[in-house]
Amino acid sequence: KNEVEQSPQNLTAQEGEFITINCSYSVGISALHWLQQHPGGGIVSLFMLSSGKKKHGRLIATINIQEKHSSLHITASHPRDSAVYICAVRSGGSRLTFGEGTQLTVNP
Amino acid sequence: NAGVMQNPRHLVRRRGQEARLRCSPMKGHSHVYWYRQLPEEGLKFMVYLQKENIIDESGMPKERFSAEFPKEGPSILRIQQVVRGDSAAYFCASSEGGTGVYEQYFGPGTRLTVT
Repeated sequence: KNEVEQSPQNLTAQEGEFITINCSYSVGISALHWLQQHPGGGIVSLFMLSSGKKKHGRLIATINIQEKHSSLHITASHPRDSAVYICAVRSGGSRLTFGEGTQLTVNP
Repeated sequence: NAGVMQNPRHLVRRRGQEARLRCSPMKGHSHVYWYRQLPEEGLKFMVYLQKENIIDESGMPKERFSAEFPKEGPSILRIQQVVRGDSAAYFCASSEGGTGVYEQYFGPGTRLTVT
């Protein structure tokens, strides 16, 4: 079992829909990151959080430390949100351990 | 403030050649991390360096791979005698400090193709 599990693996939505991507982890962590990767592109850090909730534009990230679970929400989704979303955790040091990613496709 | 720079962006090598990948961290960052993304797979940690020191190399393959971060200049990931299985995207990240409170910022990656 991977230390970091994401669901769903693939997600297709219509423009305007509310989207949720989930991340569960099995180790103690000091921080959790949500990253975005476009096809053939680089990696953009969306959020780093260790408790509570953060919001940036249409993106919201939450974390529940007791349940070892985080969610990434996208409100009013748009085709330009189509990308791979990756959850990563920092535990016992500085290295990041990554989930397998969620491929999001938003259709117009 | 320029972001993390990696070069080259694309690198093609024949089997048996050497590959050198460079990473210049963000200004003021002295911590560098290398990650590898094999085709159709997730990202995996390779090595964590501070200036002139390797802090954690537990993710580095035992042979042919080495990394350095000299006092001056970029961090370099070196792959000797490349094989087809080394074809991957290699990402570098940098941070201001090494604990969990410091965010890691990623470079655009180097896509290595071994023919």
